[in-house]
Amino acid sequence: AQSVTQPDIHITVSEGASLELRCNYSYGATPYLFWYVQSPGQGLQLLLKYFSGDTLVQGIKGFEAEFKRSQSSFNLRKPSVHWSDAAEYFCAVGLSGGYNKLIFGAGTRLAVHP
Amino acid sequence: EAGVAQSPRYKIIEKRQSVAFWCNPISGHATLYWYQQILGQGPKLLIQFQNNGVVDDSQLPKDRFSAERLKGVDSTLKIQPAKLEDSAVYLCASSYPSGRAYNEQFFGPGTRLTVL
Repeated sequence: AQSVTQPDIHITVSEGASLELRCNYSYGATPYLFWYVQSPGQGLQLLLKYFSGDTLVQGIKGFEAEFKRSQSSFNLRKPSVHWSDAAEYFCAVGLSGGYNKLIFGAGTRLAVHP
Repeated sequence: EAGVAQSPRYKIIEKRQSVAFWCNPISGHATLYWYQQILGQGPKLLIQFQNNGVVDDSQLPKDRFSAERLKGVDSTLKIQPAKLEDSAVYLCASSYPSGRAYNEQFFGPGTRLTVL
């Protein structure tokens, strides 16, 4: 069965520090991969997506993610975190083949210390 | 381009009452999704429509939840009667029709339901 695992429930970093949020997926075919961010009381905003091609993808707000097929991972990174990045981050895998389904991980809550 | 609209944004009800949520997708998006997001969890798909037909409702608790999309545009999700465990954020999303390739889903702001 398809699944997405985000091993870290909570992460705290200092402002200006680098960030890496982990995501592992289980899916038999070539995955479509996404990172979404959700601020308190807000809906989901797409940060970046991987469909094919270059395995390092750039997104909004200075985020990037790298697809590693051998590790079934799609980790999100940012070189320098800002206080406004405090939010919940969700990794998701999109299923093609006529279903167009999204399977989400449980999320990682990011806190940023000043 | 207008995004996915949802109303109300917040709703508080007593258990055993009924409640309805409304969603208007992005113009031209034939596929509409309802998700339930319980606190501390990722969103879970409840039901997926393509035009006014149901594509997937395998995770919809059909004894109390219902959804319709009569004219293939906006949609209503209803809970009757509500239980405490239905407290969650209900997200609506829309996309172009599903096919061989994946089509990106666009999300609305959600409705936060509290059942007391």
